[in-house]
Amino acid sequence: ETGVTQTPRHLVMGMTNKKSLKCEQHLGHNAMYWYKQSAKKPLELMFVYNFKEQTENNSVPSRFSPECPNSSHLFLHLHTLQPEDSALYLCASSQVSLGGVYNEQFFGPGTRLTVL
Amino acid sequence: AQKVTQAQTEISVVEKEDVTLDCVYETRDTTYYLFWYKQPPSGELVFLIRRNSFDEQNEISGRYSWNFQKSTSSFNFTITASQVVDSAVYFCALEGGNTGKLIFGQGTTLQVKP
Repeated sequence: ETGVTQTPRHLVMGMTNKKSLKCEQHLGHNAMYWYKQSAKKPLELMFVYNFKEQTENNSVPSRFSPECPNSSHLFLHLHTLQPEDSALYLCASSQVSLGGVYNEQFFGPGTRLTVL
Repeated sequence: AQKVTQAQTEISVVEKEDVTLDCVYETRDTTYYLFWYKQPPSGELVFLIRRNSFDEQNEISGRYSWNFQKSTSSFNFTITASQVVDSAVYFCALEGGNTGKLIFGQGTTLQVKP
């Protein structure tokens, strides 16, 4: 595997379901991100993890719960979602230098989520 | 407040035409970074360029070129001799300070017809 991979690529779930999105980066990066891309809004940053520590939570509802067990893996746990949460969820990774400079982000193919 | 505006929602050109995608940004940070990403129909965002606020030199990479002008807060992207494979949504993005937080524009959908 190369780059950033995401599974599943497509997910349909009911509002009472619990599911998880998985992201894995094979680039040796130390920062990972979750973004939401919906039809009527620009790409929105949801969470940032730097060296496994969450450094940003962009006012995301608690029904989205991220988990970063190590620098290569990132999960987004979903529960009690609403239909308006239907969107493309993109994961990204980047390298943060010793001086704290964030380099460019590389994105995965995304998970297309539909909430019924 | 930080903001990125891509006023062109959709552009349609015929193959081999040159096309410029506009990007205007707002930030109060003196150090910031500007980006362009390409999103083909497959959905994955492809990194094209990263430019820091202290480097106003224009950049050329093959058929792609970028014009960064701080005086007008613009970071425009030109594709020379467009090809059908250039058809995609193009996003301009801004990172203020050094936070890793990208603010994206609405995107410009480019259609290149044969």
